[in-house]
Amino acid sequence: DAKTTQPTSMDCAEGRAANLPCNHSTISGNEYVYWYRQIHSQGPQYIIHGLKNNETNEMASLIITEDRKSSTLILPHATLRDTAVYYCIVISNSNYQLIWGAGTKLIIKP
Amino acid sequence: SQTIHQWPATLVQPVGSPLSLECTVEGTSNPNLYWYRQAAGRGLQLLFYSVGIGQISSEVPQNLSASRPQDRQFILSSKKLLLSDSGFYLCAWMDTNTEAFFGQGTRLTVV
Repeated sequence: DAKTTQPTSMDCAEGRAANLPCNHSTISGNEYVYWYRQIHSQGPQYIIHGLKNNETNEMASLIITEDRKSSTLILPHATLRDTAVYYCIVISNSNYQLIWGAGTKLIIKP
Repeated sequence: SQTIHQWPATLVQPVGSPLSLECTVEGTSNPNLYWYRQAAGRGLQLLFYSVGIGQISSEVPQNLSASRPQDRQFILSSKKLLLSDSGFYLCAWMDTNTEAFFGQGTRLTVV
């Protein structure tokens, strides 16, 4: 079973911030939170990851709660090309199974 | 830099025929390797993973098998394909830095 839960789908207006939540209440101390996205019929693309501090890169920001039981991926200015399925997973260097959930289908509307 | 190659990109095979999908990685050693299947509109289903040469763990019972003959080579096989084997197959690897890298996938259609 996946160790994360995400909403099945979300809509967001173009140009607005897209906030994608993820629950990972059973996360262990050595597990990182990773976000990937998958555009139809392509391999998943890495977005961002974090352990306990908030992170930001050129694509997105990652906000992790203090208890690390949930996180939010923020796309600050969503574009139509951000329409994809977004996966939140937890990974450690001993998590050999690398199990993924169903992700959130994000639809950006003009 | 690390790269992952997966081929073929698309494949149409008749029911009962054999299957061999190959995945190779470059720029790393002793990676954890994975095979996933993705049915239309669904998430990634882990099929097999390998932490080393000759070491294969199966997550889902099925008529597929996997092998790792070399450190950076991972092969997904079947002796006789079923219609239900159709799907999008992805190879991935993970290094000690915990980031996962994916191939571009193989679209398999069993007819």
